Amino acid sequence: SQQGEEDPQALSIQEGENATMNCSYKTSINNLQWYRQNSGRGLVHLILIRSNEREKHSGRLRVTLDTSKKSSSLLITASRAADTASYFCAARSGNTPLVFGKGTRLSVIA
Amino acid sequence: SAVISQKPSRDICQRGTSLTIQCQVDSQVTMMFWYRQQPGQSLTLIATANQGSEATYESGFVIDKFPISRPNLTFSTLTVSNMSPEDSSIYLCSVDSRGSTGGYTFGSGTRLTVV
Repeated sequence: SQQGEEDPQALSIQEGENATMNCSYKTSINNLQWYRQNSGRGLVHLILIRSNEREKHSGRLRVTLDTSKKSSSLLITASRAADTASYFCAARSGNTPLVFGKGTRLSVIA
Repeated sequence: SAVISQKPSRDICQRGTSLTIQCQVDSQVTMMFWYRQQPGQSLTLIATANQGSEATYESGFVIDKFPISRPNLTFSTLTVSNMSPEDSSIYLCSVDSRGSTGGYTFGSGTRLTVV
């Protein structure tokens, strides 16, 4: 399985702090994706990093990818209460359906 | 990217009954995916629905329990049959509207409670 595994499972920080979540996967990938889920709703695609990329930015999001370690990290800078959500990584290989990791529950306290 | 309308958003059902969940996409897509998310858990793929052919089910999921229809390239339904409390979950449909290099778009989910 190429399932992503996130850590930590839960993270609680103060507003304005940075939040870092990590993800590991098992097989070769084409890309790795991060999603956010608010209160059991549908997932929202945040950012995708390709296997030949090492770092990618999108607004307050920074994603890194280390294919030699089969790991990725998601950094949310200057967190806000609205960032409170669950975050999932998903590794993509070819046209196989996405397989999601267990997720990190982020709580940002105002 | 595609926009998906998923209905119903939530339901409370009696055990032994069935519920059909609908997803309508605003553009034609080849594959639609159905996921289940049990309370506090991650997403588990139930099946991949292709237009004009039978759905492909993942290990642990069977057609008799989760029949899927895909009558055209913009619509799909998932039925949860003969429900038990263990079927209480969020069910999500999704599409890969950007190709293998992009991300998935998800419906807003159906929160099912079986009593």
